Amino acid sequence: QKEVEQNSGPLSVPEGAIASLNCTYSDRGSQSFFWYRQYSGKSPELIMFIYSNGDKEDGRFTAQLNKASQYVSLLIRDSQPSDSATYLCAVYSGGGADGLTFGKGTHLIIQP
Amino acid sequence: NAGVTQTPKFQVLKTGQSMTLQCAQDMNHNSMYWYRQDPGMGLRLIYYSASEGTTDKGEVPNGYNVSRLNKREFSLRLESAAPSQTSVYFCASSEALRGRRSQPQHFGDGTRLSIL
Repeated sequence: QKEVEQNSGPLSVPEGAIASLNCTYSDRGSQSFFWYRQYSGKSPELIMFIYSNGDKEDGRFTAQLNKASQYVSLLIRDSQPSDSATYLCAVYSGGGADGLTFGKGTHLIIQP
Repeated sequence: NAGVTQTPKFQVLKTGQSMTLQCAQDMNHNSMYWYRQDPGMGLRLIYYSASEGTTDKGEVPNGYNVSRLNKREFSLRLESAAPSQTSVYFCASSEALRGRRSQPQHFGDGTRLSIL
């Protein structure tokens, strides 16, 4: 059973600070890792994806991957109230065209 | 560029009724997926299609059937709706797999389905 674990939160962060969201996964063979943002009542929106160990930066977002520890994280710098949402971690474990395994999401609140 | 389009956006059914959820994408993606999202459960894969004419079961396929009509369209059918199928249904698509890596999936706006 492939599992993706996230702290459900809520995670409360002051405006302008760094928000750190964490995710662990059970399948050591996982190859692709995605972060989605989902506003209440809306569909998931892709934020970042990462394939290799290390950091990947895109604007205010940085994804970090450590395959040895089976750990992936998302950092949001200079957090804005508009970043308040649920962040979903998703993992692809390969072996065919099956879908992603999603965590249950972390609810992030940016306090003005 | 509409991306992934789902219809209808909302639907209320009675137990035992049938219906088909429609999904179409205009990104020329090979792979398409149906997920359901329930409170506290996260997104779970129902069925997927790697290419036109092929479909495979995901994590929670019972009570559903799918049809990959062509490259653009992937429909989900509930033959005899049950209250346990009350959920938000999302269709997604992605480019073909490259080796062992999955390309990002793009989601439709969802269908909110209530079974009474």
